[in-house]
This record gives sequence, C-alpha cells and structure tokens, in this order.
Amino acid sequence: EAQVTQNPRYLITVTGKKLTVTCSQNMNHEYMSWYRQDPGLGLRQIYYSMNVEVTDKGDVPEGYKVSRKEKRNFPLILESPSPNQTSLYFCASSLMSGNYGYTFGSGTRLTVV
Amino acid sequence: RKEVEQDPGPFNVPEGATVAFNCTYSNSASQSFFWYRQDCRKEPKLLMSVYSSGNEDGRFTAQLNRASQYISLLIRDSKLSDSATYLCVVSTGTASKLTFGTGTRLQVTL
Repeated sequence: EAQVTQNPRYLITVTGKKLTVTCSQNMNHEYMSWYRQDPGLGLRQIYYSMNVEVTDKGDVPEGYKVSRKEKRNFPLILESPSPNQTSLYFCASSLMSGNYGYTFGSGTRLTVV
Repeated sequence: RKEVEQDPGPFNVPEGATVAFNCTYSNSASQSFFWYRQDCRKEPKLLMSVYSSGNEDGRFTAQLNRASQYISLLIRDSKLSDSATYLCVVSTGTASKLTFGTGTRLQVTL
C-alpha cells in the first residue's frame, strides 16, 4: 500500500531533550516536506526536500533540522525542544512539481513540557 | 493579508443540502490549486485538484477564477460523512511550496 509512515504518533518530552520524528514513504517520491499544524494558524511548512541531499527552509524552520540521506526517509530533528514546539506534525511527499498534491502521514502529536 | 483565506465556518447544513465554500489567494503567480479534506486530528487527504476549466468528481465541483483569484468547492446532496474541515491549498507550481488555508469546517446534520 502506498503510504507515508510517521513515528511516533504521540510523544511527550521535556524541554531540551533531543528527539527525532521519523518519516518514510514507499512511493519513490522526490519531494518530501514537514508541516506543523496549530489551532487558528493552519499548516505551516517547516522544511522541505526536493531530492536526496537537497533540503531547504520553509516558513517556520527555527528550532528544527532535517536530513535526506535516502530518497524514502526524511527525519525531523528537534535538537533542543521547547514548549512552543508543542504541535501536531505532518510529513508529506509528492511525486513531482505541483500538480499532484501531497500524500500525508498520519501525524505526530508532540507535547513539550 | 493571508496568502490563502477561507471562511472558518462552521457551516451547519442538513443532509441532502448543497453547500459552497470559497477561498481567495493573494499570489497571482499561483499555478496549482487543490481542495483537501481533514477529519478531526487526522491527516489532510487530497479531495480534488482544481483546474482552470473547472472540474467535477461525483457530488463535488471545483471552480477556479484566476481573474478574481478565488477557488470554490460545491458539495451537492451532502452526506453525514462529508462532515470535516476543507482546506484550500495553493501552489506556485512546485511541490516544494504549498500554502494552506486554515480551513472551513462543515457539519452535516440529520
């Protein structure tokens, strides 16, 4: 089944403790992206990647890192999480530019205390 | 001004009703347009792309007006299962940059 898989689904952590949210897709998509969703603000792009070893900042990259060493994986790294990074995170992938939309993972609900 | 604006709703309609949502976008260079559906606390799912000539998928019809920079979604014969938040999404033409509206909530009732 074609899908984007994120892990974990839920995570509660403490301020400053490094964490990684994994994202993997099995559709051979070039484009992958991370979004966060907050009430009243909609989905905002954190980082995106157009292919292996090609990544760029989205609208809200501060406090996050990403890497794209393999085409299928695009992990999101929070080196020192803070409470304002409490949010619902989605990974998404797309086959090519623009016209096909994105396939989203099931989301990761992160709480930083 | 937000890049993509939607009326947040909620739109409360009875089963069988026809309901329409509009969305406006500010970037005239936008090239691709989509409607996504999102159920509570779940991932957005692509409902339909929006083409310049307008397009229909069953009970759903999408229209694009480039001159006025708005997109619409019409749902006919609403079902209880249509209850969700509908997200308007705009792209400048590359998958790298999708801009999402904050969504319009639809509640279909008996």
